[in-house]
Amino acid sequence: GQQLNQSPQSMFIQEGEDVSMNCTSSSIFNTWLWYKQDPGEGPVLLIALYKAGELTSNGRLTAQFGITRKDSFLNISASIPSDVGIYFCAGPDYGGSQGNLIFGKGTKLSVKP
Amino acid sequence: DVKVTQSSRYLVKRTGEKVFLECVQDMDHENMFWYRQDPGLGLRLIYFSYDVKMKEKGDIPEGYSVSREKKERFSLILESASTNQTSMYLCASSLVHLNTGELFFGEGSRLTVL
Repeated sequence: GQQLNQSPQSMFIQEGEDVSMNCTSSSIFNTWLWYKQDPGEGPVLLIALYKAGELTSNGRLTAQFGITRKDSFLNISASIPSDVGIYFCAGPDYGGSQGNLIFGKGTKLSVKP
Repeated sequence: DVKVTQSSRYLVKRTGEKVFLECVQDMDHENMFWYRQDPGLGLRLIYFSYDVKMKEKGDIPEGYSVSREKKERFSLILESASTNQTSMYLCASSLVHLNTGELFFGEGSRLTVL
């Protein structure tokens, strides 16, 4: 079935550094979504991408929908302590329940002040 | 503002107990979901409902059941809790029936089964 491979699994960075993470799949997606989960909370949508090649920003966050439609990238510039959390990529579950999303296993980000 | 509310943030139950996890959304969404989140495994779908009294099994339905008697409320039931059901449970809802919609999540219910 569909799977999303997210990397890296975890990152430990210094405040002010830029962060880059990615998500790949063996199958094509028409939508890519990036969620962030703060410690002890539910995931919240950061960025949604609906078109191959699309580059979208949300403040210090920038995400790209890969041209092959099999990958997506999320970059965070000038990280701050509140960026700590788990970042998930997600795409529609075409082979399963309608309305469901397939999630990557997440990238856990730790920021050292 | 969209809101998905889960009834309990933290629960501790004993093996064999029946557990109810309640989720309410105020956005008139058709779709509601229950996920389980474990370290290193990401989010796994337990059950899904696209309408009142309708339900579909997700990837890991064994040991769980659900109830959707009203559009705004989706309950997850553990008939006989076991220690391997210790986990974070996340409820979500979405508006669109097609596979392009955003999911809105609750804050999660962390269940410990002793």
